[in-house]
Amino acid sequence: QKEVEQDPGPLSVPEGAIVSLNCTYSNSAFQYFMWYRQYSRKGPELLMYTYSSGNKEDGRFTAQVDKSSKYISLFIRDSQPSDSATYLCAMRVPNQGGKLIFGQGTELSVKP
Amino acid sequence: NAGVTQTPKFQVLKTGQSMTLQCAQDMNHEYMSWYRQDPGMGLRLIHYSVGAGITDQGEVPNGYNVSRSTTEDFPLRLLSAAPSQTSVYFCASSSAEGQGAGYTFGSGTRLTVV
Repeated sequence: QKEVEQDPGPLSVPEGAIVSLNCTYSNSAFQYFMWYRQYSRKGPELLMYTYSSGNKEDGRFTAQVDKSSKYISLFIRDSQPSDSATYLCAMRVPNQGGKLIFGQGTELSVKP
Repeated sequence: NAGVTQTPKFQVLKTGQSMTLQCAQDMNHEYMSWYRQDPGMGLRLIHYSVGAGITDQGEVPNGYNVSRSTTEDFPLRLLSAAPSQTSVYFCASSSAEGQGAGYTFGSGTRLTVV
């Protein structure tokens, strides 16, 4: 079993839809949870970062962490064609030099 | 502010050749890492460093060497290239834990080994 599981998709939605992306994890020691966005042939860019449980909102993006269920989510409201990218969840391994464990990534396509 | 700079952007090697992928950051970050990204495999950690003079192995270290003589630079050496090392390589840097958890990634090096 992988430490972090993410449905690779692809996921296709119409413009304006609400998108829900999810990851599950097995290591209860994870405290820092991140979402990265990666456009084709580019490096990952940090989109959202959450410490411990709870919600965090930034514009059209909301990140949720449920540590009791070992489940994290990223919601995109009013999705735009420019949101078409691969979204990767990542978790920082505590006390191991900032190591990140990534999910496989979900490919999202927002159709005009 | 350049962030994380990787060179070269593209490289083709013959099996058995060696080369060094360069990575430099100008954010005074303590932590630096190398990842490779392959279709269906996600991002996998090769080596990482928590500061100058300190390195450690990640998930897939075989065939790669690293050193960290300065805070800014973290080169990745391929000792004897193999077709299985064909991949996209990303360097990333971060401040220490508790000071912001996000890693900044470079734009990547696309390596093909023939």
